Amino acid sequence: GEDVEQSLFLSVREGDSSVINCTYTDSSSTYLYWYKQEPGAGLQLLTYIFSNMDMKQDQRLTVLLNKKDKHLSLRIADTQTGDSAIYFCAESYTGGFKTIFGAGTRLFVKA
Amino acid sequence: DAGVIQSPRHEVTEMGQEVTLRCKPISGHDYLFWYRQTMMRGLELLIYFNNNVPIDDSGMPEDRFSAKMPNASFSTLKIQPSEPRDSAVYFCASSGDREAFFGQGTRLTVV
Repeated sequence: GEDVEQSLFLSVREGDSSVINCTYTDSSSTYLYWYKQEPGAGLQLLTYIFSNMDMKQDQRLTVLLNKKDKHLSLRIADTQTGDSAIYFCAESYTGGFKTIFGAGTRLFVKA
Repeated sequence: DAGVIQSPRHEVTEMGQEVTLRCKPISGHDYLFWYRQTMMRGLELLIYFNNNVPIDDSGMPEDRFSAKMPNASFSTLKIQPSEPRDSAVYFCASSGDREAFFGQGTRLTVV
């Protein structure tokens, strides 16, 4: 069945890199996403990657996809206190547009 | 478009009362999702609709929960009777393509 798993908490020091990991089960996934939720707000799309890509970089964000192991990661370089939020991994596949979300990883950034 | 609109933003109710949460999806989106978010369990998919038809309600906790989508522009999630363990933030999201757009959420407190 469909399932997306990620750890619930991550704590890093300001200026360090953060790496948030995710595993998924549906090998037919076409798109893999990272959403960000700031306090008191809904989720917003941060970045996404097609399943035929290995890596995508966008400024401080790097997404790595290991399709063989069904493993997705989000690396945030030079993490700032403003990056404190909950980060959600999600997958979807063509033909359904149903997006399956992980439970979310709460990132704490210590000054 | 104003995005996904949820009401109310906050709801405080007494145990045993009926609670109705409302959602207006983005115009033109075919999919509508209801999620529940708690600190302990993270984000959970409750039910989703495609073209106003409920497709998967396996995430609905129990018979006290029900959801309807009478037309393409409106959906409700009802809890009757409500219990303190139902306290959470409830999100509605809609999608028409890859990206899911979330409302601001309804924070429900059952006392």
